[in-house]
Amino acid sequence: AQSVTQPDIHITVSEGASLELRCNYSYGATPYLFWYVQSPGQGLQLLLKYFSGDTLVQGIKGFEAEFKRSQSSFNLRKPSVHWSDAAEYFCAVGAGYQKVTFGIGTKLQVIP
Amino acid sequence: SQTIHQWPATLVQPVGSPLSLECTVEGTSNPNLYWYRQAAGRGLQLLFYSVGIGQISSEVPQNLSASRPQDRQFILSSKKLLLSDSGFYLCAWSSEGGPETQYFGPGTRLLVL
Repeated sequence: AQSVTQPDIHITVSEGASLELRCNYSYGATPYLFWYVQSPGQGLQLLLKYFSGDTLVQGIKGFEAEFKRSQSSFNLRKPSVHWSDAAEYFCAVGAGYQKVTFGIGTKLQVIP
Repeated sequence: SQTIHQWPATLVQPVGSPLSLECTVEGTSNPNLYWYRQAAGRGLQLLFYSVGIGQISSEVPQNLSASRPQDRQFILSSKKLLLSDSGFYLCAWSSEGGPETQYFGPGTRLLVL
């Protein structure tokens, strides 16, 4: 069965600084990979996804993620964080019909 | 475009009372539908998923049940709520077939007292 690890529970960055959220997955073949964002009390919004092809994926809100097969990673990046990016971020892996496994999330705090 | 609705947004229920949470999807046909529960610091736990009317798969044995009476309607129920049922319940849909991309509703906050 597939699994996802988000090693950082909380991250604090200054507004304008760069951001990288880590995600590692475990799966025997090439997975489908996702990043979602959740604002407090809201549902999850899809930021980006990787299915195949170019390993650098562009998403909404200026986010990007890079699939690295050798490291089993799919880290999320943003060059300059805005205060509105404060939220919880979930990495997820899909490995077959219907089944998607989510990480436990990383809470991002942005300080002025 | 597709939209997904959940209601109620917030619910406070006593222990032992019944539960019914509703999820509806617009703008798509024959979606796959999912119920998740989110507890603080524990990520998302898949409770049920459905690939069609009347077809429900349960991922976690518990006192909750799900039903899909119509193509775009998914209901989460309980006959008797437990304190441990408190949490944030999310409904999601995905298109028939793969690859898998799930789209989430706004969620229902349930507090069992």
